[in-house]
Amino acid sequence: DTGVSQNPRHKITKRGQNVTFRCDPISEHNRLYWYRQTLGQGPEFLTYFQNEAQLEKSRLLSDRFSAERPKGSFSTLEIQRTEQGDSAMYLCASSLEGENGYTFGSGTRLTVV
Amino acid sequence: GDSVTQMEGPVTLSEEAFLTINCTYTATGYPSLFWYVQYPGEGLQLLLKATKADDKGSNKGFEATYRKETTSFHLEKGSVQVSDSAVYFCALSDTGRRALTFGSGTRLQVQP
Repeated sequence: DTGVSQNPRHKITKRGQNVTFRCDPISEHNRLYWYRQTLGQGPEFLTYFQNEAQLEKSRLLSDRFSAERPKGSFSTLEIQRTEQGDSAMYLCASSLEGENGYTFGSGTRLTVV
Repeated sequence: GDSVTQMEGPVTLSEEAFLTINCTYTATGYPSLFWYVQYPGEGLQLLLKATKADDKGSNKGFEATYRKETTSFHLEKGSVQVSDSAVYFCALSDTGRRALTFGSGTRLQVQP
C-alpha cells in the first residue's frame, strides 16, 4: 500500500479559474477527509465522507467548493471561480471506521495568482 | 466550540536536551487527543494519541499524558535529536465528531 496519494502536488491557477484535486485513500479505508492548511497554521477541517456519503461539511466549505466520492474510493475537491484567499495546502486523509487518528497525504499546494 | 492552544515557536534546542511543547484544549465532550508531526516537505504523521483521561501516549521516545483536570496534553522527550526537527501539531476530536481540531503548530529546531 502506498498510503494516501494526492494529485497534483502543486497547482498554480489564475484568479477566476476552476481547479480540481484528486485524493486516493488507503484502499481499505472507508473514511476520507479534506482539510485546508495555510502558512503557519494548523489544518482546518473542510469535509468528511464515509464510503460515498458526505456526512459533514465545515462552514469553511463555501458554495464555490464541492467534494465528491462517487464510488466510495477516490475523492475529488473542486474549487470554482478561485480567489487569492483560496491559496493554501489542501490535505486529504483517510481512516478505517472505529480507528482513532488518520493517515494524511502529502497535500496539493494551490497558488492563485 | 472546540479549540487547541499550543506554545508558539520556534523552539530551538541543542541535541540531547529535554523537550516540552505545551498544549491545552477546550472541548464540549470527552475528546481524544493527538500529536501529529510534519517533517519538511512531507505530510502530517500521527505521532501519538490518548483517548481518555490519564492515558499516556508514547512513540519514538515522545510521550504525552491526557490531563483532564488541567485540560492539557503536553508533549515531552527526554533527549532530542537533530532528526526531530519538524513542526508539531496538537489536535483533538470531540465526542461524536470525526473532524480533528488542530493547534497552530510549534516548530522545533534541534542544533547539533
